[in-house]
Amino acid sequence: QVQLVQSGAEVKKPGASVKVSCKASGYRFSSYFMHWVRQAPGQGPEWMGIINPSGGSPTYAQKFQGRVTMTGDTSTSTVYMELSSLRSDDTAVYYCARDMGAGNLDFWGQGTLVTVSS
Amino acid sequence: EIVLTQSPGTLSLSPGERATLSCRASQSVSNRYLAWYQQKPGQAPRLLIYGASSRATGIPDRFSGSGSGTDFTLTISRLEPEDFAVYYCQRYGSSPYTFGQGTKLEIK
Repeated sequence: QVQLVQSGAEVKKPGASVKVSCKASGYRFSSYFMHWVRQAPGQGPEWMGIINPSGGSPTYAQKFQGRVTMTGDTSTSTVYMELSSLRSDDTAVYYCARDMGAGNLDFWGQGTLVTVSS
Repeated sequence: EIVLTQSPGTLSLSPGERATLSCRASQSVSNRYLAWYQQKPGQAPRLLIYGASSRATGIPDRFSGSGSGTDFTLTISRLEPEDFAVYYCQRYGSSPYTFGQGTKLEIK
């Protein structure tokens, strides 16, 4: 069965960076793009970007350009999302989600809470 | 960027009733690349509908989607207790893959 297992909760200070991992299993990792989506408390989902785990340049939402880096490691079936220059409004649950084929998301990780606080 | 506006913000209904949720796009959504997700507290979103009207694997047939262009609808024919949650629409196909702000379906 398809599973996406994310790394644990993080607490960071403003200005720091955070790196969240997402380990995939139960399917051919290199055959599906992966998205990162975040959700601030009480808000709707916010799309951050998409990565082809097999290579190529990720595509990032304009809002996060210059602050986000998405990478993939086919040897461990893991994708990573690193967000730098953290601010308090980056406090959110961060999800990885598998792309079903055109950008609709059929499997999601359990989410990683990132709290940014001084 | 295509903006998705969902209405109503909150919908109060009773089990057994019919729910109709709306998602309106600021520009036409090509290829009917519109999805619906259900989210319960503390859980990740769950894909219900893609391609505006195709049910995802394992989704009961009381959930149906319709629409094209800029106006889309999610209908739940007879509400079950487990259907009370927040519902989001998403436009996909190309970047940015935007989400609506959600409709909360609550028990009346």
